[in-house]
Amino acid sequence: DGGITQSPKYLFRKEGQNVTLSCEQNLNHDAMYWYRQDPGQGLRLIYYSQIVNDFQKGDIAEGYSVSREKKESFPLTVTSAQKNPTAFYLCASTQSGSGANVLTFGAGSRLTVL
Amino acid sequence: DQQVKQNSPSLSVQEGRISILNCDYTNSMFDYFLWYKKYPAEGPTFLISISSIKDKNEDGRFTVFLNKSAKHLSLHIVPSQPGDSAVYFCAASVRNTGGFKTIFGAGTRLFVKA
Repeated sequence: DGGITQSPKYLFRKEGQNVTLSCEQNLNHDAMYWYRQDPGQGLRLIYYSQIVNDFQKGDIAEGYSVSREKKESFPLTVTSAQKNPTAFYLCASTQSGSGANVLTFGAGSRLTVL
Repeated sequence: DQQVKQNSPSLSVQEGRISILNCDYTNSMFDYFLWYKKYPAEGPTFLISISSIKDKNEDGRFTVFLNKSAKHLSLHIVPSQPGDSAVYFCAASVRNTGGFKTIFGAGTRLFVKA
């Protein structure tokens, strides 16, 4: 069964701590994305990566970092510099050059800062 | 700078009637427009797309219309069913130097009443 696995599903963090969200895909997709969803604001792009060892900042990259050491993995670190980290985080992937660039999403990770 | 806008946060429709969800955009360079459906605590799932060179695409009960001169697209669901109740996101993709980038609107919550 091909898909995207995000973990953990729920995560609690104290202020000042860094936390890493995992995203793994077995779809053999080239491109991977991280989005953040807040109530009433839809999905906002944090980072994206088209190939291994390369990634681009999205619209709200400040306070986040990523790595793309393997094609199937694109972890997101939420650092203590992120002012409002409490949100629902979504990872997605797609096959580059596939026309409409349809994204396949994971089930999401909900991060709550205490 | 909101490049993709969904101005109606919610829409309520009677079962069997037509649902019309609207979306406006500002960037003329978008290659494709897509609609995604999302249930709470899940990732969005792809519904239907349309190329920027087309004005209509139909898939079963779902039809997307694109008016390029008005920078407006709409999703029609006919007939609406209670299972269609979800949040619908309009999205647009564009190719840039970093690869394909997909921008989402804020979403419209559809309620279909039985």
